[in-house]
Amino acid sequence: DTEVTQTPKHLVMGMTNKKSLKCEQHMGHRAMYWYKQKAKKPPELMFVYSYEKLSINESVPSRFSPECPNSSLLNLHLHALQPEDSALYLCASSQSEATDTQYFGPGTRLTVL
Amino acid sequence: GQQLNQSPQSMFIQEGEDVSMNCTSSSIFNTWLWYKQDPGEGPVLLIALYKAGELTSNGRLTAQFGITRKDSFLNISASIPSDVGIYFCAGRGGSNSGYALNFGKGTSLLVTP
Repeated sequence: DTEVTQTPKHLVMGMTNKKSLKCEQHMGHRAMYWYKQKAKKPPELMFVYSYEKLSINESVPSRFSPECPNSSLLNLHLHALQPEDSALYLCASSQSEATDTQYFGPGTRLTVL
Repeated sequence: GQQLNQSPQSMFIQEGEDVSMNCTSSSIFNTWLWYKQDPGEGPVLLIALYKAGELTSNGRLTAQFGITRKDSFLNISASIPSDVGIYFCAGRGGSNSGYALNFGKGTSLLVTP
């Protein structure tokens, strides 16, 4: 089983709202990732968690706040977003941060009005 | 991260034709991955390559890790309409180059019946 699940599938929010994206995997993977993807572009890395600790933050604005409650779950808390933050947000996981093969979830399509 | 040079940018072919796409990097990679992404979905891993010269097949798909470790190609034989999508290559160097995957810009494939 190489499944990564993400909820919600779609999200529309205003610039003053607070919302959260959720990601879950039950493959026993210890590294989890958040990516942002704009239309017709490759995924861009935002955050990496390794063994539930934040390992990499690719200079992401503080209006995006990641959280890893346990080894199976990864959240992305959103607050005061801008319209240009509208994108497909992808979660991925791998056995460890040093393991190359990352498995992606289906993504959350976020629209900021 | 480093941008990979992926070509062609797009392909428009007839069902039954073979397809070839490739990726090059200015630096050496230890791993090459090929993903396919359907509209609104997350990338799905097709083939993972871990050794220079490695040639790996997955059904009608064949991929190779270049001997120089700076390139990889993906071939699709006897294309069918469900092959439509965007294909991304992704690669990673050694631990001293960071753990993030570097993505190509994608090859958009259209297949006509």
